Amino acid sequence: SQTIHQWPATLVQPVGSPLSLECTVEGTSNPNLYWYRQAAGRGLQLLFYSVGIGQISSEVPQNLSASRPQDRQFILSSKKLLLSDSGFYLCAWSVQGGLENNSPLHFGNGTRLTVT
Amino acid sequence: AQSVAQPEDQVNVAEGNPLTVKCTYSVSGNPYLFWYVQYPNRGLQFLLKYITGDNLVKGSYGFEAEFNKSQTSFHLKKPSALVSDSALYFCAVRDWYNFNKFYFGSGTKLNVKP
Repeated sequence: SQTIHQWPATLVQPVGSPLSLECTVEGTSNPNLYWYRQAAGRGLQLLFYSVGIGQISSEVPQNLSASRPQDRQFILSSKKLLLSDSGFYLCAWSVQGGLENNSPLHFGNGTRLTVT
Repeated sequence: AQSVAQPEDQVNVAEGNPLTVKCTYSVSGNPYLFWYVQYPNRGLQFLLKYITGDNLVKGSYGFEAEFNKSQTSFHLKKPSALVSDSALYFCAVRDWYNFNKFYFGSGTKLNVKP
Protein backbone atom coordinates (compact mmCIF):
# COMPACT_ATOMS: atom_id res chain seq x y z
CA SER A 1 0.00 0.00 0.00
CA GLN A 2 1.01 3.59 -0.48
CA THR A 3 2.24 5.77 2.35
CA ILE A 4 3.27 9.39 2.57
CA HIS A 5 5.74 10.75 5.09
CA GLN A 6 6.20 14.36 6.11
CA TRP A 7 8.74 15.75 8.52
CA PRO A 8 9.23 17.37 10.85
CA ALA A 9 5.85 17.33 12.55
CA THR A 10 6.44 20.67 14.24
CA LEU A 11 8.99 23.40 13.65
CA VAL A 12 9.70 26.74 15.29
CA GLN A 13 11.94 29.03 13.30
CA PRO A 14 13.00 32.68 13.71
CA VAL A 15 12.16 35.27 11.09
CA GLY A 16 14.80 35.40 8.39
CA SER A 17 15.95 31.81 8.83
CA PRO A 18 15.83 29.23 6.01
CA LEU A 19 13.27 26.47 5.73
CA SER A 20 13.28 22.95 4.34
CA LEU A 21 10.30 20.63 4.66
CA GLU A 22 10.50 17.20 3.15
CA CYS A 23 7.85 14.81 1.89
CA THR A 24 8.30 11.31 0.50
CA VAL A 25 5.85 8.81 -0.92
CA GLU A 26 6.24 5.04 -0.88
CA GLY A 27 4.45 2.31 -2.76
CA THR A 28 3.70 4.17 -5.97
CA SER A 29 5.59 5.47 -8.98
CA ASN A 30 5.39 8.77 -10.84
CA PRO A 31 2.82 10.37 -8.55
CA ASN A 32 1.63 13.92 -8.72
CA LEU A 33 2.88 15.74 -5.63
CA TYR A 34 1.43 18.77 -3.89
CA TRP A 35 2.13 21.30 -1.16
CA TYR A 36 -0.81 22.98 0.54
CA ARG A 37 -0.86 25.49 3.37
CA GLN A 38 -3.64 25.66 5.90
CA ALA A 39 -3.92 28.87 7.89
CA ALA A 40 -5.81 29.10 11.17
CA GLY A 41 -7.09 25.52 10.88
CA ARG A 42 -9.33 26.26 7.96
CA GLY A 43 -9.12 26.59 4.21
CA LEU A 44 -6.36 24.98 2.18
CA GLN A 45 -4.28 27.01 -0.21
CA LEU A 46 -2.53 25.18 -3.05
CA LEU A 47 1.10 26.35 -3.10
CA PHE A 48 2.88 24.06 -5.57
CA TYR A 49 2.29 20.90 -7.49
CA SER A 50 4.51 18.65 -9.56
CA VAL A 51 3.74 16.12 -12.26
CA GLY A 52 7.32 14.84 -12.58
CA ILE A 53 10.95 15.22 -11.52
CA GLY A 54 12.05 18.82 -11.86
CA GLN A 55 8.57 19.96 -12.94
CA ILE A 56 7.12 22.47 -10.50
CA SER A 57 4.01 24.59 -10.93
CA SER A 58 3.62 27.52 -8.57
CA GLU A 59 0.16 28.67 -7.67
CA VAL A 60 0.91 31.63 -5.44
CA PRO A 61 3.95 33.92 -5.85
CA GLN A 62 5.54 34.22 -2.46
CA ASN A 63 8.50 33.61 -0.28
CA LEU A 64 8.50 29.85 -0.82
CA SER A 65 9.85 27.48 -3.45
CA ALA A 66 9.51 23.78 -4.15
CA SER A 67 11.72 21.15 -5.69
CA ARG A 68 11.34 17.55 -6.76
CA PRO A 69 14.80 16.02 -6.94
CA GLN A 70 13.52 12.43 -7.07
CA ASP A 71 10.33 10.79 -8.30
CA ARG A 72 8.79 10.41 -4.85
CA GLN A 73 10.40 13.29 -2.99
CA PHE A 74 9.00 16.79 -2.73
CA ILE A 75 10.72 19.58 -0.82
CA LEU A 76 9.35 22.95 0.28
CA SER A 77 11.95 25.64 0.92
CA SER A 78 12.48 29.23 1.84
CA LYS A 79 15.65 31.27 2.00
CA LYS A 80 14.27 33.72 4.57
CA LEU A 81 11.11 33.04 6.54
CA LEU A 82 8.52 35.71 7.22
CA LEU A 83 6.05 35.83 10.10
CA SER A 84 3.29 35.30 7.54
CA ASP A 85 4.79 31.93 6.59
CA SER A 86 3.46 30.41 9.82
CA GLY A 87 0.87 27.74 9.22
CA PHE A 88 0.16 24.07 8.76
CA TYR A 89 1.86 22.67 5.68
CA LEU A 90 0.43 19.60 4.05
CA CYS A 91 2.01 17.39 1.44
CA ALA A 92 -0.21 15.22 -0.75
CA TRP A 93 0.02 12.85 -3.68
CA SER A 94 -2.33 11.61 -6.36
CA VAL A 95 -2.19 9.14 -9.20
CA GLN A 96 -0.97 10.55 -12.50
CA GLY A 97 -3.94 11.22 -14.73
CA GLY A 98 -6.56 9.51 -12.61
CA LEU A 99 -9.42 11.31 -14.22
CA GLU A 100 -11.22 8.18 -15.40
CA ASN A 101 -11.93 7.01 -11.87
CA ASN A 102 -11.53 10.38 -10.17
CA SER A 103 -8.49 9.43 -8.10
CA PRO A 104 -8.33 11.51 -4.92
CA LEU A 105 -5.52 13.30 -3.13
CA HIS A 106 -3.83 11.50 -0.25
CA PHE A 107 -2.36 13.66 2.49
CA GLY A 108 0.51 13.41 4.91
CA ASN A 109 0.12 14.35 8.56
CA GLY A 110 1.41 17.86 8.06
CA THR A 111 4.08 20.13 9.54
CA ARG A 112 3.11 22.86 11.98
CA LEU A 113 5.45 25.78 11.29
CA THR A 114 5.65 28.70 13.69
CA VAL A 115 7.80 31.64 12.67
CA THR A 116 8.79 33.80 15.65
CA ALA B 1 -13.06 28.55 -12.58
CA GLN B 2 -13.92 25.52 -10.52
CA SER B 3 -14.94 26.07 -6.93
CA VAL B 4 -16.84 24.60 -4.02
CA ALA B 5 -18.59 26.44 -1.22
CA GLN B 6 -19.42 25.25 2.27
CA PRO B 7 -22.08 27.64 3.53
CA GLU B 8 -21.96 26.51 7.17
CA ASP B 9 -18.99 27.34 9.31
CA GLN B 10 -20.19 24.96 12.01
CA VAL B 11 -22.80 22.23 12.36
CA ASN B 12 -24.04 20.98 15.72
CA VAL B 13 -25.85 17.68 16.06
CA ALA B 14 -26.72 15.32 18.90
CA GLU B 15 -25.24 11.83 18.96
CA GLY B 16 -27.53 9.35 17.25
CA ASN B 17 -29.19 11.97 15.09
CA PRO B 18 -28.63 12.22 11.33
CA LEU B 19 -26.12 14.75 10.14
CA THR B 20 -25.72 16.77 6.96
CA VAL B 21 -22.75 18.90 5.95
CA LYS B 22 -23.48 21.03 2.93
CA CYS B 23 -21.41 21.68 -0.18
CA THR B 24 -22.30 23.42 -3.41
CA TYR B 25 -20.13 23.44 -6.49
CA SER B 26 -19.47 25.55 -9.55
CA VAL B 27 -17.70 23.76 -12.38
CA SER B 28 -17.33 23.67 -16.11
CA GLY B 29 -18.06 20.22 -17.45
CA ASN B 30 -18.52 17.13 -15.31
CA PRO B 31 -17.89 17.67 -11.60
CA TYR B 32 -15.12 15.71 -9.93
CA LEU B 33 -16.00 16.08 -6.25
CA PHE B 34 -14.62 14.77 -2.98
CA TRP B 35 -15.17 14.85 0.77
CA TYR B 36 -12.38 14.82 3.33
CA VAL B 37 -12.23 14.83 7.13
CA GLN B 38 -9.53 16.39 9.28
CA TYR B 39 -8.88 15.71 12.95
CA PRO B 40 -6.85 18.22 15.01
CA ASN B 41 -3.23 18.53 13.94
CA ARG B 42 -3.60 15.82 11.35
CA GLY B 43 -3.70 15.65 7.58
CA LEU B 44 -6.91 15.28 5.61
CA GLN B 45 -8.40 11.83 5.24
CA PHE B 46 -10.30 10.92 2.09
CA LEU B 47 -13.94 9.93 2.76
CA LEU B 48 -15.58 9.56 -0.64
CA LYS B 49 -15.67 10.76 -4.22
CA TYR B 50 -18.29 11.39 -6.85
CA ILE B 51 -18.23 9.34 -10.01
CA THR B 52 -20.51 10.36 -12.85
CA GLY B 53 -23.86 8.57 -12.69
CA ASP B 54 -23.96 7.68 -8.98
CA ASN B 55 -26.21 10.17 -7.20
CA LEU B 56 -25.72 8.50 -3.83
CA VAL B 57 -22.11 7.78 -3.03
CA LYS B 58 -21.09 5.63 -0.09
CA GLY B 59 -17.78 6.19 1.65
CA SER B 60 -15.75 5.43 4.74
CA TYR B 61 -16.99 5.34 8.35
CA GLY B 62 -20.66 5.16 7.35
CA PHE B 63 -20.66 8.45 5.49
CA GLU B 64 -22.44 8.98 2.21
CA ALA B 65 -22.96 11.93 -0.09
CA GLU B 66 -25.89 12.92 -2.24
CA PHE B 67 -25.12 14.47 -5.60
CA ASN B 68 -27.80 16.79 -6.97
CA LYS B 69 -27.07 18.21 -10.40
CA SER B 70 -30.02 20.61 -10.52
CA GLN B 71 -29.03 22.17 -7.20
CA THR B 72 -25.28 21.83 -7.89
CA SER B 73 -24.85 20.28 -4.47
CA PHE B 74 -22.89 17.41 -2.99
CA HIS B 75 -23.98 17.18 0.64
CA LEU B 76 -22.31 14.83 3.08
CA LYS B 77 -24.64 12.73 5.21
CA LYS B 78 -24.63 10.13 7.92
CA PRO B 79 -27.77 8.45 9.33
CA SER B 80 -26.57 8.36 12.95
CA ALA B 81 -23.82 10.66 14.21
CA LEU B 82 -21.12 9.58 16.65
CA VAL B 83 -19.20 11.80 19.05
CA SER B 84 -16.06 10.59 17.29
CA ASP B 85 -17.35 12.16 14.05
CA SER B 86 -16.58 15.58 15.51
CA ALA B 87 -13.96 17.05 13.17
CA LEU B 88 -13.41 19.48 10.32
CA TYR B 89 -14.92 18.46 7.00
CA PHE B 90 -13.83 19.67 3.59
CA CYS B 91 -15.48 19.47 0.22
CA ALA B 92 -13.10 19.55 -2.77
CA VAL B 93 -13.26 19.71 -6.54
CA ARG B 94 -10.84 18.79 -9.27
CA ASP B 95 -10.08 21.54 -11.78
CA TRP B 96 -11.75 20.71 -15.10
CA TYR B 97 -9.17 22.63 -17.14
CA ASN B 98 -6.19 21.23 -15.27
CA PHE B 99 -7.21 18.01 -13.61
CA ASN B 100 -3.94 17.88 -11.71
CA LYS B 101 -5.25 20.66 -9.47
CA PHE B 102 -7.68 20.29 -6.58
CA TYR B 103 -9.49 23.12 -4.79
CA PHE B 104 -11.00 22.94 -1.34
CA GLY B 105 -13.89 24.61 0.41
CA SER B 106 -13.41 26.61 3.59
CA GLY B 107 -14.33 23.70 5.83
CA THR B 108 -17.22 22.96 8.20
CA LYS B 109 -16.65 22.12 11.83
CA LEU B 110 -18.93 19.32 12.93
CA ASN B 111 -19.71 19.09 16.63
CA VAL B 112 -21.50 15.96 17.80
CA LYS B 113 -22.70 16.24 21.38
CA PRO B 114 -23.38 13.21 23.58
